[in-house]
Parts: sequence; structure tokens; C-alpha cells
Amino acid sequence: GQQLNQSPQSMFIQEGEDVSMNCTSSSIFNTWLWYKQDPGEGPVLLIALYKAGELTSNGRLTAQFGITRKDSFLNISASIPSDVGIYFCAGNSGYALNFGKGTSLLVTP
Amino acid sequence: DAGVIQSPRHEVTEMGQEVTLRCKPISGHNSLFWYRQTMMRGLELLIYFNNNVPIDDSGMPEDRFSAKMPNASFSTLKIQPSEPRDSAVYFCASSSGTVNQPQHFGDGTRLSIL
Repeated sequence: GQQLNQSPQSMFIQEGEDVSMNCTSSSIFNTWLWYKQDPGEGPVLLIALYKAGELTSNGRLTAQFGITRKDSFLNISASIPSDVGIYFCAGNSGYALNFGKGTSLLVTP
Repeated sequence: DAGVIQSPRHEVTEMGQEVTLRCKPISGHNSLFWYRQTMMRGLELLIYFNNNVPIDDSGMPEDRFSAKMPNASFSTLKIQPSEPRDSAVYFCASSSGTVNQPQHFGDGTRLSIL
């Protein structure tokens, strides 16, 4: 599959701070998705982006689909302890998803 | 609404044994995907089905792996014979089937081959 570069690999922040992570690809995608995975569970869809330039929010989460269709970012505002987990970006150019390696987020109270 | 249901949640078995993982997709979803997750390689697509037909099995590691989808509500992933390097978490996901639709994941099967 196509390689997605997700950064940072991990983040260690204090409760209340804002968080930003991003994904880039050498290939164009039709859809960008952001998932969160908690220990022992499957990835849960957070935000789906369908159009280049699209900016979408879901509560404290905001994600954007890059204009070139080769990148996306996810921001989390005012982080809380339950935001802890691994965040994955995924690009879709048909049926199959290509995943980034994940950003591990730790939030201290 | 019920999500994607996988069983068993955990499986521990000795190498050489046959392993069968099961998945029930979300009702009405007609695309189904099997993934493997490891620390080293992350999430890898093994195979996907559309309308019960395998579309792309290029991610299946080798002939020891096989997958079936006999009907719209059930799929299996079988490993025979199993090897220690098959130890991983295996996820099943489903989507509505039209292109570019989000996939929804089950909670996975944690497989350990001794």
C-alpha cells in the first residue's frame, strides 16, 4: 500500500494544552480519515474528510484535508486525560485504507 | 446499533494448530476488511471483500492464510498451520461498500502462537 508519514510519533502533554498532529503522503487520496485507538480496542472513527480544503470539527477535534490532497492534520483543543490513546490517519483512494503508523498521546492531569 | 463483532477476543494456541477468527460486519455494510496489527508493521490490510466476493487478497502473507465470506453477515480468517510469527491483533472492519466510505472496526482478536 501507499506509505503515509504521520508525525509526531508520540506526544506527552499536560491537561489543557492543545495538540496538533499531521500526515503526509506522496500520493493523492480521495478521503482522509482520523481514528483513535484505546488499549485493547479497535480503532474508532473520529473525523472523515471528503473534499480538498475541507475543515471539519467534532467537539474539541478539528481536522483539515489538505489542498493538494496529500496531507491532513488533526488538532485537539484543551486536552483532557481521556484523550490518551493512539491516533491514526488513514487515506482512502478506493476501497482500501492506507494507515499512518500512529501518534501516541499521553496527557498528564 | 451493533458494531462489528469479532470472536474470539483472545486466542492462545500452540504452533502448528489451526486458528479460525470470526467476524460479523455491521448490518447493511457490504464491504468487509481483515487487518493485522503489530508493533513493527502497524495496521496492514490482509484482504477485503465486496458483496461477499474477495476483491484483493494481495496482503495475505502466505498460503497458510485463507479467508471466506459465505454470506453478508459472516466472515472467517483461517491460519493453518499457525506459526509464532503470526502472533498479532487481527481486526475486522466493514463499510457501506461504495468507494471512499469510512471503515468501522471491531475490537479485534489478540492471537498468540506459542
